[in-house]
Amino acid sequence: GAVVSQHPSWVICKSGTSVKIECRSLDFQATTMFWYRQFPKQSLMLMATSNEGSKATYEQGVEKDKFLINHASLTLSTLTVTSAHPEDSSFYICSASRDIGNTQYFGPGTRLTVL
Amino acid sequence: TQLLEQSPQFLSIQEGENLTVYCNSSSVFSSLQWYRQEPGEGPVLLVTVVTGGEVKKLKRLTFQFGDARKDSSLHITAAQPGDTGLYLCAGVFATGTYKYIFGTGTRLKVLA
Repeated sequence: GAVVSQHPSWVICKSGTSVKIECRSLDFQATTMFWYRQFPKQSLMLMATSNEGSKATYEQGVEKDKFLINHASLTLSTLTVTSAHPEDSSFYICSASRDIGNTQYFGPGTRLTVL
Repeated sequence: TQLLEQSPQFLSIQEGENLTVYCNSSSVFSSLQWYRQEPGEGPVLLVTVVTGGEVKKLKRLTFQFGDARKDSSLHITAAQPGDTGLYLCAGVFATGTYKYIFGTGTRLKVLA
């Protein structure tokens, strides 16, 4: 199997606070993990690609200082939304791949609501 | 900029009908995946196609990769309410670096 989990499933926070979302590959080692954002009834938008042990590569228009990504091990990547604002409210989905170019396996997503 | 256009964007059909979803690009893919996503959940991989002209079947779903590897289609035979969901294609472009691009999505609703 190729199971990816995310924690938490949903989070509600006040404007100005920081929120950390975890993405774990449970039964395989993920050299590469991806973070996506999805707005209601829309497709997935890639935010960044992270490789274990190195800095994440952010897509154009994504603020790296606002969305901090850490991929410290082959089974864990974290996304921290810093100083969250209501416009950051969204569905955040991670995916994990055994290696770059291999199939991505997606987590169940985290719904963030910023009040 | 690589773009993946899916058509149709929305589709509402009766149970038992057939349908085809298309995924098109002007760029060549190294491989392409099809996913289905239900509300509040992450996408679930249905299939990966790699070779131009490849056809893969998954029960009532038939996936085809274009000969030039620029397009793909998903055909569902005798649709059922359980097929309802958001269908996404995702193309992998390998031109020096790997790039994954998701299609615009097709929202399918199958009515009982």
